[in-house]
Amino acid sequence: GQSLEQPSEVTAVEGAIVQINCTYQTSGFYGLSWYQQHDGGAPTFLSYNALDGLEETGRFSSFLSRSDSYGYLLLQELQMKDSASYFCAVFHSGGGADGLTFGKGTHLIIQP
Amino acid sequence: EPEVTQTPSHQVTQMGQEVILRCVPISNHLYFYWYRQILGQKVEFLVSFYNNEISEKSEIFDDQFSVERPDGSNFTLKIRSTKLEDSAMYFCASSPGQGTRNQPQHFGDGTRLSIL
Repeated sequence: GQSLEQPSEVTAVEGAIVQINCTYQTSGFYGLSWYQQHDGGAPTFLSYNALDGLEETGRFSSFLSRSDSYGYLLLQELQMKDSASYFCAVFHSGGGADGLTFGKGTHLIIQP
Repeated sequence: EPEVTQTPSHQVTQMGQEVILRCVPISNHLYFYWYRQILGQKVEFLVSFYNNEISEKSEIFDDQFSVERPDGSNFTLKIRSTKLEDSAMYFCASSPGQGTRNQPQHFGDGTRLSIL
């Protein structure tokens, strides 16, 4: 089976930097993804790490350490629109139409 | 930018009835998925579909559920004999299916299913 752990809620100030951690337990590992979901909205893909290290996409970066079964999402220069839930997710296998198992999500609250 | 579209946005059904949720994946995508999200909970995988057959399904996807690609554009989820606990947001997703594996999945806005 697969399970992912992430904090339920994080609070940060507008303009600051915030890190959302995710630890996972999987029978096989095929990469860690991050999705953003605004209230009532669709999950939106943010980032994917298959190998150790940091991936940067604009204000968002994602890090992976496979030896520690750990990753994080880093959000810089926080804006009010970044208030949302953030989910880490792992693929079920390295094949084709593979499903994702999601964590329970981290609700990010941005304060002015 | 191309997007996944789902209809209806909200479906209200009496318990025991059958519902069909519809999705139009992004046109050049080959892999299709259904997920559900019970209010306030995480997104849960139901099923994936490729080349007109199920690739993978979860424990949730039992005989009550079925999927179909009836034509070249639609992808449907049928739920038979609906139960109260089927009330959730149902998301359709698609991914390109070419090139590298484990590609990003693009989600639709969802159908909110309410069982009375």
